[in-house]
Amino acid sequence: AQSVSQHNHHVILSEAASLELGCNYSYGGTVNLFWYVQYPGQHLQLLLKYFSGDPLVKGIKGFEAEFIKSKFSFNLRKPSVQWSDTAEYFCAVNSGAMIKAAGNKLTFGGGTRVLVKP
Amino acid sequence: NAGVTQTPKFQVLKTGQSMTLQCAQDMNHEYMSWYRQDPGMGLRLIHYSVGAGITDQGEVPNGYNVSRSTTEDFPLRLLSAAPSQTSVYFCASSRGTSANTQYFGPGTRLTVL
Repeated sequence: AQSVSQHNHHVILSEAASLELGCNYSYGGTVNLFWYVQYPGQHLQLLLKYFSGDPLVKGIKGFEAEFIKSKFSFNLRKPSVQWSDTAEYFCAVNSGAMIKAAGNKLTFGGGTRVLVKP
Repeated sequence: NAGVTQTPKFQVLKTGQSMTLQCAQDMNHEYMSWYRQDPGMGLRLIHYSVGAGITDQGEVPNGYNVSRSTTEDFPLRLLSAAPSQTSVYFCASSRGTSANTQYFGPGTRLTVL
């Protein structure tokens, strides 16, 4: 079975600081990897995803993530955070096998709450 | 497009009551799913559907039923509510295969007393 670990449950930083959130997954086959964000009072939305090609993926709002296959990792980074980045961040994985009958089942990590102080 | 909509936004039930959480999408997506979100545990998959008339269990299906009679709708039924089902429930939809982005609804916050 797949599993996803996010190492930090809570992160507090000041504006302009750099952010890196760790994500490791456990799965033996080809994977697709996602980072979702949930801003206060809002529903989840996609930040970025990786399914093939360049392991360095750029997403919205200046976020990027690097897929390191040998480390089973997909860490999220942002060089300089803003107060508006305060949110909960979720890493998720699913099987990369394009089998329609299997659908699009995601396994999520436990989430990391990020608070950016102005 | 309204995207993925869910009703109600909030619900309080007593133990043993039943109810249905509604989910609808207007993007003609084949795939729909229900997750529950609990603190520190992320989102866990309850049930999913790869098309009308086809449903299957996810990671935490006990105590929940689903059906999918149309492409647009995917209701989640709680048969006999228990306090352990207190959670925030999210419905999501996407195109059928796994590289596609899932779009989430606004959630239903359910409390079972």
